[in-house]
Amino acid sequence: DAGVIQSPRHEVTEMGQEVTLRCKPISGHNSLFWYRQTMMRGLELLIYFNNNVPIDDSGMPEDRFSAKMPNASFSTLKIQPSEPRDSAVYFCASSRGQESVGAFFGQGTRLTVV
Amino acid sequence: AQSVTQLGSHVSVSEGALVLLRCNYSSSVPPYLFWYVQYPNQGLQLLLKYTSAATLVKGINGFEAEFKKSETSFHLTKPSAHMSDAAEYFCAVSEGTSGTYKYIFGTGTRLKVLA
Repeated sequence: DAGVIQSPRHEVTEMGQEVTLRCKPISGHNSLFWYRQTMMRGLELLIYFNNNVPIDDSGMPEDRFSAKMPNASFSTLKIQPSEPRDSAVYFCASSRGQESVGAFFGQGTRLTVV
Repeated sequence: AQSVTQLGSHVSVSEGALVLLRCNYSSSVPPYLFWYVQYPNQGLQLLLKYTSAATLVKGINGFEAEFKKSETSFHLTKPSAHMSDAAEYFCAVSEGTSGTYKYIFGTGTRLKVLA
């Protein structure tokens, strides 16, 4: 199994630009999570999907952030426009949707907004 | 809402010494609890999980954790630390209903192993 695949691994962009982060979950997993990790705030859940439907987006910091899951094998997290305070590591994780299973994480995308 | 609290953001132990990382949970019902490890520049990796089958749970790399309901704790231990154990460790709890669950993480404990 290839695991959760995220792209790109690193992204450097200028303030005001649009940024799109991509995620391919583990095949057969029906839950997908986007987390953000920073030194100040730790690991924050931004949004999660179940069967491609957004269940809880209360962690999305602002309207500049949006996430989609058009099918079971792909999800995007978009920031438009980006700001320096968005600099963080963004993780995608997937799960079989059972509370006893746990989530499996990708390698993350390190975003730097200058 | 479920939550976990990790006591100690940094822990240092000597190589060969006991590792003890603390996690307390807040839940009105028996929770599902997890420990994850994160090595530098990597994602989180599941170490072990408690699913009510047994109170003492063994995981990878020689780690284990004991669920204690009376203390609402799920501390992570390893009898003898190795240099390769240096990483950040996260305790987590699942929350949700009807087939839709999310995972809430603690603030993490960075383990340093001294030679």
